[in-house]
Amino acid sequence: GAGVSQTPSNKVTEKGKYVELRCDPISGHTALYWYRQSLGQGPEFLIYFQGTGAADDSGLPNDRFFAVRPEGSVSTLKIQRTERGDSAVYLCASSLQPSARAYFGPGTRLLVL
Amino acid sequence: EDQVTQSPEALRLQEGESSSLNCSYTVSGLRGLFWYRQDPGKGPEFLFTLYSAGEEKEKERLKATLTKKESFLHITAPKPEDSATYLCAVQARGGSNYKLTFGKGTLLTVNP
Repeated sequence: GAGVSQTPSNKVTEKGKYVELRCDPISGHTALYWYRQSLGQGPEFLIYFQGTGAADDSGLPNDRFFAVRPEGSVSTLKIQRTERGDSAVYLCASSLQPSARAYFGPGTRLLVL
Repeated sequence: EDQVTQSPEALRLQEGESSSLNCSYTVSGLRGLFWYRQDPGKGPEFLFTLYSAGEEKEKERLKATLTKKESFLHITAPKPEDSATYLCAVQARGGSNYKLTFGKGTLLTVNP
């Protein structure tokens, strides 16, 4: 069956630009997560959605980062005024319920020049 | 604050040479400990979840074990296709039971 998909797979942008990263979770999964993975590091939690609402956005680094999930399925992570330090792999994951096993997508590799 | 430390950072093995990866953790109350495999350019792929000390799980050449302070991933007679980064993560009990706290991973290379 289809897994978690993310688009684009790679994104190169210039410092100061706005980017949107998309995540399509596994059908029927109500819980959705965004993680960020820097080179040589493990994934770090950014935000968790249960249904349409952001239940925990405590991992977002600052107010340049925002995420939505308007219909409880697809989610978009939005980054304003990108900085070089935002360069990383952004991973999306979904699960049937909050504490269940999370299935990860392939990630979006963001490079800010 | 939950913490996960994995060792070694990198490990090179010859094909058939068994070894173990370590994951030490501190967590307010453990709900589950997860092992994932990550290939270059891919997302983490689930391997195991362990819930209580003494529990063991096996899959092909891999066996994961859990104590109250650490977990081991034992690799028996590895093959080159086992080369990957192995990530350990903990999930705490309570209100944040959806969140995974990951270690930095162990990069395993198995030479033919």
